[in-house]
Amino acid sequence: DAKTTQPTSMDCAEGRAANLPCNHSTISGNEYVYWYRQIHSQGPQYIIHGLKNNETNEMASLIITEDRKSSTLILPHATLRDTAVYYCIVSSNDYKLSFGAGTTVTVRA
Amino acid sequence: DTEVTQTPKHLVMGMTNKKSLKCEQHMGHRAMYWYKQKAKKPPELMFVYSYEKLSINESVPSRFSPECPNSSLLNLHLHALQPEDSALYLCASSQGTWLAANNEQFFGPGTRLTVL
Repeated sequence: DAKTTQPTSMDCAEGRAANLPCNHSTISGNEYVYWYRQIHSQGPQYIIHGLKNNETNEMASLIITEDRKSSTLILPHATLRDTAVYYCIVSSNDYKLSFGAGTTVTVRA
Repeated sequence: DTEVTQTPKHLVMGMTNKKSLKCEQHMGHRAMYWYKQKAKKPPELMFVYSYEKLSINESVPSRFSPECPNSSLLNLHLHALQPEDSALYLCASSQGTWLAANNEQFFGPGTRLTVL
């Protein structure tokens, strides 16, 4: 699977949008971009995934660049409960999810 | 029911003990997973079961022995563990279609294991 690069940490203000970038420059055509998050001491939680079109669900939006080499996860109105480690993962047609170091997001009041 | 449950929540064991971790899901998923997570590190895949058969073993030492008695249950049998095996053990499940489009994994809360 392609590797991903994410910033180590970022802060955002409560109520504002949080934009989390991810680079996956070696992604191949059949690989999807998945986002998970892990709130302290809990299991990871699936957020969203996509192939090449932008996706939106009740939790977040996923914007994938046209060349698919990077993506951005958008939390539209961050709350204190969104403080977590966010993982961007590229997955192909197998069962493996290879978690990188992720981005530690701290939402501040 | 969209939950993956794991028992126990916490486990302390000695190096000579035998214990088991249990995981259960009732979402009709046919793939189940064990991950290990050390403090301040990302989860690492250990085993994958697909349709109750072991399909992936990520070179895990034999002191960890997985078992999938049926499509809803997954066990991890532990024997002769070392202190460095202390970690959070996470179970997950997914539909099991072997398609990246459907690979959302649902995780349980984990079992925090301490080996003395």
